[in-house]
Amino acid sequence: GEEVAQTPKHLVRGEGQKAKLYCAPIKGHSYVFWYQQVLKNEFKFLISFQNENVFDETGMPKERFSAKCLPNSPCSLEIQATKLEDSAVYFCASTSGTLNTEAFFGQGTRLTVV
Amino acid sequence: RKEVEQDPGPFNVPEGATVAFNCTYSNSASQSFFWYRQDCRKEPKLLMSVYSSGNEDGRFTAQLNRASQYISLLIRDSKLSDSATYLCVVNMFGSNSGYALNFGKGTSLLVTP
Repeated sequence: GEEVAQTPKHLVRGEGQKAKLYCAPIKGHSYVFWYQQVLKNEFKFLISFQNENVFDETGMPKERFSAKCLPNSPCSLEIQATKLEDSAVYFCASTSGTLNTEAFFGQGTRLTVV
Repeated sequence: RKEVEQDPGPFNVPEGATVAFNCTYSNSASQSFFWYRQDCRKEPKLLMSVYSSGNEDGRFTAQLNRASQYISLLIRDSKLSDSATYLCVVNMFGSNSGYALNFGKGTSLLVTP
């Protein structure tokens, strides 16, 4: 596709429930990034992929967060046992990864944990 | 120390004013530089890439100073519609390190009538 498609747009979960977010990168882009933005605060890097391989996961709270990018499927970000502080907008971005090319962002998934 | 630093503002300016934002980055190996705009929790959208020679797009001018490791964005003749958060984004690309994308915290601009 020509845009980064994130689903769902909104997700409401009770504390302790699982949440799963999806991201279809732009076709041909080999890098995918996930970011968390709480309220209007800064973008917190979670994880990046180079194709289906985890490239950098230094931002992931590993005990509850996991992510995958499998061939021929949207990438996913899963949060087990959600907490109130997981409420945020989760943005996915993709890029071809070549020099001087920008990253394109999806519209985000707004997760509300109640 | 964060990789990319920006003054968070807010910058409150009247319509028609000129406003400048600066951004510093810590990694001298950084290679590509961008300004993104984010409106009210929507997705960031590319405003301008920043080239070594500097570049201009209408009322917007971006500059890069590699020696001092900062980039700037100048907005002339501010419009109400320029009100947004401006994100400085820096990336590195290398055969061993792959592609890394680093964000500043964003600078908030409010243009008032």
